[in-house]
Amino acid sequence: SAVISQKPSRDICQRGTSLTIQCQVDSQVTMMFWYRQQPGQSLTLIATANQGSEATYESGFVIDKFPISRPNLTFSTLTVSNMSPEDSSIYLCSVEDLAGRQRNEQFFGPGTRLTVL
Amino acid sequence: RKEVEQDPGPFNVPEGATVAFNCTYSNSASQSFFWYRQDCRKEPKLLMSVYSSGNEDGRFTAQLNRASQYISLLIRDSKLSDSATYLCVVNGVLYNTDKLIFGTGTRLQVFP
Repeated sequence: SAVISQKPSRDICQRGTSLTIQCQVDSQVTMMFWYRQQPGQSLTLIATANQGSEATYESGFVIDKFPISRPNLTFSTLTVSNMSPEDSSIYLCSVEDLAGRQRNEQFFGPGTRLTVL
Repeated sequence: RKEVEQDPGPFNVPEGATVAFNCTYSNSASQSFFWYRQDCRKEPKLLMSVYSSGNEDGRFTAQLNRASQYISLLIRDSKLSDSATYLCVVNGVLYNTDKLIFGTGTRLQVFP
């Protein structure tokens, strides 16, 4: 399966600032996704990162708050804008590996642990 | 009703025991089913896909019952290293069949 890295691995930020998280994959992948995992909860999809076009956001998530870039098939960024303590969470990117045995198999990066003060 | 429901546990079992987790999903149109494992402070890792006929991978057996919209995971001969949270996952339907919907997870603790 693809090897996925994320930067930064963790950060502590002040309220009102923005943080950009990078996701790098070692091979070209069609589908890339961004998830959030809030403390003690399961994963929630924020958006699908589309190469060359605007991301597709899930209900409850908007582009102004979570702008996403996907300039090519191996790289994506997620920005958490105008942060508040409620944004404290783990942010994970994932990819759908076309070599997977079943459609929709996704593999996750190590995550970015964000704390907003 | 939640889209994917799991018993949160924890399940505390001794080494060598057999343990089973269940999961129900709400949308009968879902087509892809998975079990992921998540260790504390780590990302989820794909444990196994769940096929219609059921499938086995070593000590792990997964079953799917489409009529009851029910998925199970059986772990035989539990090891200490099996201690983790097990996430039941199904794919989305309607406008986005690529998204994954995660259950809240079942925590397993295997003790010596």
